[in-house]
Amino acid sequence: DAKTTQPPSMDCAEGRAANLPCNHSTISGNEYVYWYRQIHSQGPQYIIHGLKNNETNEMASLIITEDRKSSTLILPHATLRDTAVYYCIVRVDYNTNAGKSTFGDGTTLTVKP
Amino acid sequence: GAGVSQSPSNKVTEKGKDVELRCDPISGHTALYWYRQSLGQGLEFLIYFQGNSAPDKSGLPSDRFSAERTGGSVSTLTIQRTQQEDSAVYLCASSPEGSPGQDNSPLHFGNGTRLTVT
Repeated sequence: DAKTTQPPSMDCAEGRAANLPCNHSTISGNEYVYWYRQIHSQGPQYIIHGLKNNETNEMASLIITEDRKSSTLILPHATLRDTAVYYCIVRVDYNTNAGKSTFGDGTTLTVKP
Repeated sequence: GAGVSQSPSNKVTEKGKDVELRCDPISGHTALYWYRQSLGQGLEFLIYFQGNSAPDKSGLPSDRFSAERTGGSVSTLTIQRTQQEDSAVYLCASSPEGSPGQDNSPLHFGNGTRLTVT
């Protein structure tokens, strides 16, 4: 799996958009970009994923650059409950490998009132 | 429906003892992963099961660690002769990947077992 790099920490004001960057410059053509978040004492929670196109769901938006070497997770209106560690990972397609994923240290997002 | 269930939620053991950690994946999910998370760190991949294929054990840190998945469902992670450095949260995740149309399915995580070796 391609490795990802994320800033270790970010702050965001409550009600503002939180933009979390991720670099994955060695991503392969068949690898998806996934985002998860982990709130203290819980297992990681799936947020969103994409391959090439930008994606949006009820939780967030995912913007992937045209060369796919980086992406940004956008929480449009951050709340205090969005304070968590956010992980960006890339995953191989199950047809080509064991499908194991490598999680880095993530970005600790702190939403402040 | 029920999510991924792990038991026990907390386990304290003495150095040198063996421990077994259990994971009940979501029904029908063919893929199952074990990860380890030390305090303040990211997730470290341990082992991966996919259907009836041989498991990918490449992440197991030593031969004291082993895992089984019986009947394609419940999995048990066993740590023999525990050491203090084994203290961590052990997370299990499952996914329907491998089933038709599910090649890019997200992982569903349990809340982990917090292992403390004294």
